[in-house]
Amino acid sequence: GAGVSQSPSNKVTEKGKDVELRCDPISGHTALYWYRQSLGQGLEFLIYFQGNSAPDKSGLPSDRFSAERTGGSVSTLTIQRTQQEDSAVYLCASSGGGALTGELFFGEGSRLTVL
Amino acid sequence: GDSVTQMEGPVTLSEEAFLTINCTYTATGYPSLFWYVQYPGEGLQLLLKATKADDKGSNKGFEATYRKETTSFHLEKGSVQVSDSAVYFCALIDYGNNRLAFGKGNQVVVIP
Repeated sequence: GAGVSQSPSNKVTEKGKDVELRCDPISGHTALYWYRQSLGQGLEFLIYFQGNSAPDKSGLPSDRFSAERTGGSVSTLTIQRTQQEDSAVYLCASSGGGALTGELFFGEGSRLTVL
Repeated sequence: GDSVTQMEGPVTLSEEAFLTINCTYTATGYPSLFWYVQYPGEGLQLLLKATKADDKGSNKGFEATYRKETTSFHLEKGSVQVSDSAVYFCALIDYGNNRLAFGKGNQVVVIP
């Protein structure tokens, strides 16, 4: 597609349920990032994929969070046993050259609300 | 790790007013600096950037100058429009962690 696509755009779930968020990066982009945007907290780095290298998971807040990237393209962020503090907008971004260029292309985000 | 700090709170101003959003950075070296903008209902997009000291980034009437002496990258626009209403994020490349580090963002509301 023309840009980074994320789904769902909105997700309301009950505490304790698992959720999956999907990201379709720009075709050909090798770098893919997940960030979390919480009210008043700015953008919090979660995880980074670059090509076939092992992902940088250092930003994942707990072991309830995991992500994978299949075939170097689509990525899925999974949150198990959701908690109310997980409520946020989850942003995906991709880049052709990795972070060193600084130009990331963001999707519109998936807004997660945990009741 | 390297980080950026933005001024606290939303900014509300009238159309044609002068806009300044402050951003300071903390880094071991001289990272590239960026301003991203998030318009309502849209994803973040790059607004402008500067890669070395004294560089001035500019786009859509916005400017920011990389000031090594004050470790700052303040965003300015001389005459804002209602269409400039958005959230603005300052960012830098954290080379040590190979990622962009963002500030908390500033909501800008321009009133007609």
